[in-house]
Amino acid sequence: AQTVTQSQPEMSVQEAETVTLSCTYDTSESDYYLFWYKQPPSRQMILVIRQEAYKQQNATENRFSVNFQKAAKSFSLKISDSQLGDAAMYFCAYRSAFSSNMLTFGGGTRLMVKP
Amino acid sequence: KAGVTQTPRYLIKTRGQQVTLSCSPISGHRSVSWYQQTPGQGLQFLFEYFSETQRNKGNFPGRFSGRQFSNSRSEMNVSTLELGDSALYLCASSPRPGDGYTFGSGTRLTVV
Repeated sequence: AQTVTQSQPEMSVQEAETVTLSCTYDTSESDYYLFWYKQPPSRQMILVIRQEAYKQQNATENRFSVNFQKAAKSFSLKISDSQLGDAAMYFCAYRSAFSSNMLTFGGGTRLMVKP
Repeated sequence: KAGVTQTPRYLIKTRGQQVTLSCSPISGHRSVSWYQQTPGQGLQFLFEYFSETQRNKGNFPGRFSGRQFSNSRSEMNVSTLELGDSALYLCASSPRPGDGYTFGSGTRLTVV
């Protein structure tokens, strides 16, 4: 079974600065998808960024980018120019490309942004 | 375009009762998944439906069940509620299995 680990329960960043959230995963599969989701107090999970394992190029979405290290099974999220609205829980998630549509989530990282 | 709608937003039930939660996916989305979120266990997969068929089920007891209707709306039911069933239940939809998910805002169930 796949597992996803987020080793930082809480992180703090100053507004306008850069922060990196860590995620590692364990799988024996060669093809899969990795995601970062944001969950603000409104509770809705919002997709931040998506990475396909067979693509070597790291995904980027505006201020959000990932560092995907397939051999190390590491998938970190970098948030540049942090904004107050970035404060939320962030979840890393894994989905197999072969089997079910199920997402396996990490335990989450609470990001606080200081003005 | 309307998002994923979950009703009700909040629910308080007594131990031993049963509850039904509803999820209306985005129009055109035929795949619906359910997740349970608790502080202790985090986010756990419950089930996935596509075209009215359950494709996968997570490691939950038989008290947890679900279904999907021909209009893709989905319901999940929990019978004989236990205190440990208190959680945020999230529904997610996608056009097809494997596509990107859109989540709803969840139903907060409290069992007393």
